[in-house]
Amino acid sequence: GAGVSQSPRYKVTKRGQDVALRCDPISGHVSLYWYRQALGQGPEFLTYFNYEAQQDKSGLPNDRFSAERPEGSISTLTIQRTEQRDSAMYRCASSLFPFTGTNNYEQYFGPGTRLTVT
Amino acid sequence: DAKTTQPPSMDCAEGRAANLPCNHSTISGNEYVYWYRQIHSQGPQYIIHGLKNNETNEMASLIITEDRKSSTLILPHATLRDTAVYYCIVITGTASKLTFGTGTRLQVTL
Repeated sequence: GAGVSQSPRYKVTKRGQDVALRCDPISGHVSLYWYRQALGQGPEFLTYFNYEAQQDKSGLPNDRFSAERPEGSISTLTIQRTEQRDSAMYRCASSLFPFTGTNNYEQYFGPGTRLTVT
Repeated sequence: DAKTTQPPSMDCAEGRAANLPCNHSTISGNEYVYWYRQIHSQGPQYIIHGLKNNETNEMASLIITEDRKSSTLILPHATLRDTAVYYCIVITGTASKLTFGTGTRLQVTL
């Protein structure tokens, strides 16, 4: 079946603009995760959802970043008043059930959205 | 979660075994060792994980030392398609998020 999809794949925006990044998880997957990846670095956790409930948003850098998953499927990561330091690859992942170190419900990653803030 | 240390890069000849080390000297008894890899610009891909015992699957083997302070990921017959960044991650059994470091960039050559 289809994997995780993200849109847009590339987004160039001017500093100060708001952007919305979309993630469409694998159908039926309960959990959805957002990561950010700077060039040459590993992915950095931002937040995750089980169904529509945001479980952990400890990785969101500041209050300009927010995420929602209103119907427990598609999720949107919104960055307000973008800054150049927000430029990165934003990756979404989903898992059938909530991942833990013990159960290893595998996180399947999408292709990412490359955000460039000019 | 325990901190991990990996070499920044390694080379391996195609067809040979690739042995990727990871040091996690501060690992706790309830922490698992996970390995992921990221090929070029793709998203990370799960490889294998273990707690105490050595593990093997169709992709790789994971060897964890008896004191659990280090581990080695073994790709038995590396191919060019195994060229990627390999991440060693240590997390507790209840952890719900993955914390990636900078990993080891493995280059498989002809």
